[in-house]
Amino acid sequence: EVQLVESGGGLVQPGRSLRLSCAASGFTFDDYAMHWVRQAPGKGLEWVSGISWNSDTIGYVDSVKGRFTISRDNAKNSLYLQMNSLRAEDTAFYYCAKDTNYGDYVGAFDIWGQGTTVTVSS
Amino acid sequence: QSALTQPPSASGSPGQSVTISCTGTSSDVGGYNYVSWYQQHPGKAPKLMIYEVSKRPSGVPDRFSGSKSGNTASLTVSGLQSEDEADYYCSSYAGSNNSVVFGGGTKLTVL
Repeated sequence: EVQLVESGGGLVQPGRSLRLSCAASGFTFDDYAMHWVRQAPGKGLEWVSGISWNSDTIGYVDSVKGRFTISRDNAKNSLYLQMNSLRAEDTAFYYCAKDTNYGDYVGAFDIWGQGTTVTVSS
Repeated sequence: QSALTQPPSASGSPGQSVTISCTGTSSDVGGYNYVSWYQQHPGKAPKLMIYEVSKRPSGVPDRFSGSKSGNTASLTVSGLQSEDEADYYCSSYAGSNNSVVFGGGTKLTVL
């Protein structure tokens, strides 16, 4: 079964850090680009970051540049999001998502995890 | 990285057709054939319905179709069914800085 399972969310104070993980199974992880997408409570979807199969191509939404770092470990079939200097506006449900494309990403997400909640509050 | 523009709501009666628009710029929707559409029911993860403008993943009914003209993409749902009631989001590859952008979402109501 193709599956993505996120972990690492929680309640954190503004300015602190958090690391999200996404464990992939059921497909050849190192063939595909991967992404993080978030959804603030009651709001729409927002693409956060994406990474190509070999980590050569990486992108971020402007609001997280310099604070968040996406990475992957193909040997462990895992995707990560290191979130530093967290702000209240980062509060959201964070999804891990698989790109439809081999190699570089095209921003179409065919497999989604169930998500993990990040709450930034003092 | 401006969000794509979608109408906040759309509606139709069972059996009817409804079209949802998604307007971007030449830097995203108009510049690439990488427009996708997602369906999201309350409390659930999004589901890919259309990718690369008009392709349907396996398992998605052919009542769902996508198209694009210039900087505007469209999702058409034909033969509306009650289970189609959900939020729908478009997205597009935006190229610059390897980014992806979503629309604000459209709430589809089946009357």
